Amino acid sequence: EPEVTQTPSHQVTQMGQEVILRCVPISNHLYFYWYRQILGQKVEFLVSFYNNEISEKSEIFDDQFSVERPDGSNFTLKIRSTKLEDSAMYFCASSEADRGLGLAKNIQYFGAGTRLSVL
Amino acid sequence: GNSVTQMEGPVTLSEEAFLTINCTYTATGYPSLFWYVQYPGEGLQLLLKATKADDKGSNKGFEATYRKETTSFHLEKGSVQVSDSAVYFCARIFGNEKLTFGTGTRLTIIP
Repeated sequence: EPEVTQTPSHQVTQMGQEVILRCVPISNHLYFYWYRQILGQKVEFLVSFYNNEISEKSEIFDDQFSVERPDGSNFTLKIRSTKLEDSAMYFCASSEADRGLGLAKNIQYFGAGTRLSVL
Repeated sequence: GNSVTQMEGPVTLSEEAFLTINCTYTATGYPSLFWYVQYPGEGLQLLLKATKADDKGSNKGFEATYRKETTSFHLEKGSVQVSDSAVYFCARIFGNEKLTFGTGTRLTIIP
């Protein structure tokens, strides 16, 4: 069964360093998302991406964050200068889009997540 | 705004007990509703969904019915197993918007 894959599973970094979290969405999906889950808290939306541009972002997704689809398969989240409060589990998700209408079919498939620890 | 309110945990039950985890949503438009499950050390997996009023989603013995009149989508299972121990998240989505999750309910089943 197709799945969303994320690497690495655990990333440890020093405060102020840049990190890149990587995701390979399901191959025929056109909508991509990043969510995060701070330990013990709810899953929060960060950003959605469609047609090579950001379609929506939350207030969490400030100038320190960026997303990119550098090739036909990868979808990355970059945090330019990490802060302690960026420590969380980051989930990538993808969904199919109705090509006629450009709307996601509402089922988002999630990867296993990358645990980011900022020291 | 769009929100999901979920029964707080943790919930501990004995094997074969009946499970209900309550979930209510704000009624903005006609959202699709989901239950996701997160097993220990794993990511979020879709458990079941319902896309319109009175739809019943079901999977692995779990069920939830989309109730427009009460804006609810409670998760139920008639007889839980130890392997059902996980965190359960209720979520809603409208159109191609982001998923909005509840706070999650940690379920522990003891033999």
